Amino acid sequence: NAGVIQTPRHKVTGKGQEATLWCEPISGHSAVFWYRQTIVQGLEFLTYFRNQAPIDDSGMPKERFSAQMPNQSHSTLKIQSTQPQDSAVYLCASSLGGTGVNQDTQYFGPGTRLLVL
Amino acid sequence: AQKVTQTQTSISVVEKTTVTMDCVYETRDSSYFLFWYKQTASGEIVFLIRQDSYKKENATVGHYSLNFQKPKSSIGLIITATQIEDSAVYFCAMRDDSGYNKLTFGKGTVLLVSP
Repeated sequence: NAGVIQTPRHKVTGKGQEATLWCEPISGHSAVFWYRQTIVQGLEFLTYFRNQAPIDDSGMPKERFSAQMPNQSHSTLKIQSTQPQDSAVYLCASSLGGTGVNQDTQYFGPGTRLLVL
Repeated sequence: AQKVTQTQTSISVVEKTTVTMDCVYETRDSSYFLFWYKQTASGEIVFLIRQDSYKKENATVGHYSLNFQKPKSSIGLIITATQIEDSAVYFCAMRDDSGYNKLTFGKGTVLLVSP
């Protein structure tokens, strides 16, 4: 079974440019999560989809960040007008999403390392 | 709000020994779920083991086990017979039972296993 796939693995953008990050969850998983990892803040939750519907975006910066899940096989995280402070590793995770035992365990992708110059 | 604290920044051990990593958490929920993940040098984050708060028995998976002390809001990770490849950053995480399944992570503990 393939794990969570994230592309690109590395992205360099100039300040003010747009960045789009892609995530393909594990086949059969209905819950998709986005996290951000920095040295200072550690691992932070951004947003969560279940069955493609947005459930919780409480961690998303209010401006410039948006996430979508147009179908069950991929989700995107878009950052408009990127700033140097957006530099981080963006991680996607998925889980089965059911209510049974262990169906909430999240499995992480390799991450996209974003560098904004 | 939930909070997860890992006080040990780094630990160094000799291989084949046992190591314990500490984690304490804060939550107002009566039901919650605790996880340990490992991040390797390549950046890969790997799920290791979990403990559901309603279970009294400590979880064990391979050479990983947990020391769950609910009255102390503590969930320690024990690695027995450590190997060089166990060198990594270990994260403790928690989610509540609210239906919002996000994980709250600790800052991590670096484990270095030497020959």
